[in-house]
Amino acid sequence: GIQVEQSPPDLILQEGANSTLRCNFSDSVNNLQWFHQNPWGQLINLFYIPSGTKQNGRLSATTVATERYSLLYISSSQTTDSGVYFCAVGQGGTASKLTFGTGTRLQVTL
Amino acid sequence: NAGVTQTPKFRVLKTGQSMTLLCAQDMNHEYMYWYRQDPGMGLRLIHYSVGEGTTAKGEVPDGYNVSRLKKQNFLLGLESAAPSQTSVYFCASSYPPGQGRGEQYFGPGTRLTVT
Repeated sequence: GIQVEQSPPDLILQEGANSTLRCNFSDSVNNLQWFHQNPWGQLINLFYIPSGTKQNGRLSATTVATERYSLLYISSSQTTDSGVYFCAVGQGGTASKLTFGTGTRLQVTL
Repeated sequence: NAGVTQTPKFRVLKTGQSMTLLCAQDMNHEYMYWYRQDPGMGLRLIHYSVGEGTTAKGEVPDGYNVSRLKKQNFLLGLESAAPSQTSVYFCASSYPPGQGRGEQYFGPGTRLTVT
């Protein structure tokens, strides 16, 4: 099956810093989503982005499908950004079947 | 709108017992999913449904059964629980992916321990 690798696995930032999280995948996809799991375990959908660029406030994401990677940018980080960020991909006619990466754990400190 | 809700929130089972987890969504989504999350790992798909009356296997379906009798509900059953099924279970729902939508929305999770 498709492989999804996220980097870095862990990241510690001071409040106000910017960061870039990367998601590489081993095959072509037509579904790619980014999620944030907060410290209480709740999963929030950040972006549905099989290709192109989207922005939502301090967060933006870019997927370059032809080169099999996606980037999540966090600007002016806040302590509430802490948690685990997951990338998940789906392929072909079963694109709704998502394969998740193992995540990037982000800690934002004061 | 409540979004996606799951009951119960916590459960402890003894090996061999059975239970059913209930997921409900009020967003009129066609697709629903059950995932499990083990410590330090991403989520893995157990079963999913693309519409009322349909179900299909995901990545880790063994030991679980599902039913989708109503569009808004998706049930996950464990017929004979095993310690390997200790996990956090998440339900999600979405529109069919494509045409600029397909975001999966998740419930709060059910923490299951099998002793």
